[in-house]
Amino acid sequence: DARVTQTPRHKVTEMGQEVTMRCQPILGHNTVFWYRQTMMQGLELLAYFRNRAPLDDSGMPKDRFSAEMPDATLATLKIQPSEPRDSAVYFCASGSTEGTQYFGPGTRLTVL
Amino acid sequence: AQRVTQPEKLLSVFKGAPVELKCNYSYSGSPELFWYVQYSRQRLQLLLRHISRESIKGFTADLNKGETSFHLKKPFAQEEDSAMYYCALSNRDDKIIFGKGTRLHILP
Repeated sequence: DARVTQTPRHKVTEMGQEVTMRCQPILGHNTVFWYRQTMMQGLELLAYFRNRAPLDDSGMPKDRFSAEMPDATLATLKIQPSEPRDSAVYFCASGSTEGTQYFGPGTRLTVL
Repeated sequence: AQRVTQPEKLLSVFKGAPVELKCNYSYSGSPELFWYVQYSRQRLQLLLRHISRESIKGFTADLNKGETSFHLKKPFAQEEDSAMYYCALSNRDDKIIFGKGTRLHILP
């Protein structure tokens, strides 16, 4: 049963530090999404890729966030420098051709 | 503008009572609608999508284009239904637009 994996599952860091989150999408899925989940805003789409090309990153604060797919098995989301307001759960999802998105377990980020 | 609205942040229902989680959408074309569920400490997962017309775990949802709604229903709530439920809309270019979610709490 193929699943999206994410690392780390939990990250506690201090303000100003760089944070890198990783995602391995399901093999054969050609779309990858990054979401942020908070109590106040729910699920927000940060960025997404199709066939490794970035298609939409309008939901991402450009000055500190960056998302890349160096290859088909790895997507990364980087925050530099991190701020306390970035504390949230970050989900990666990969999409099948019939439109369903499959979510990873999330990375719970706490920025002190 | 494409939007998904879930008016209730929290819904508490007694075990055995009917459940209805409301979802309204705005979309200019023919939408594809989904319900995703997130159980405590688990990942989001697809519950059902309107095109499959399935009943999953006793839940059903009917797309009402006249009322632009896709409410999720279950006739008899069970304690294991307690979870966060997200209504979502696909704009057919891969992106899915999620509502803010409704937390369903089943009371014993």
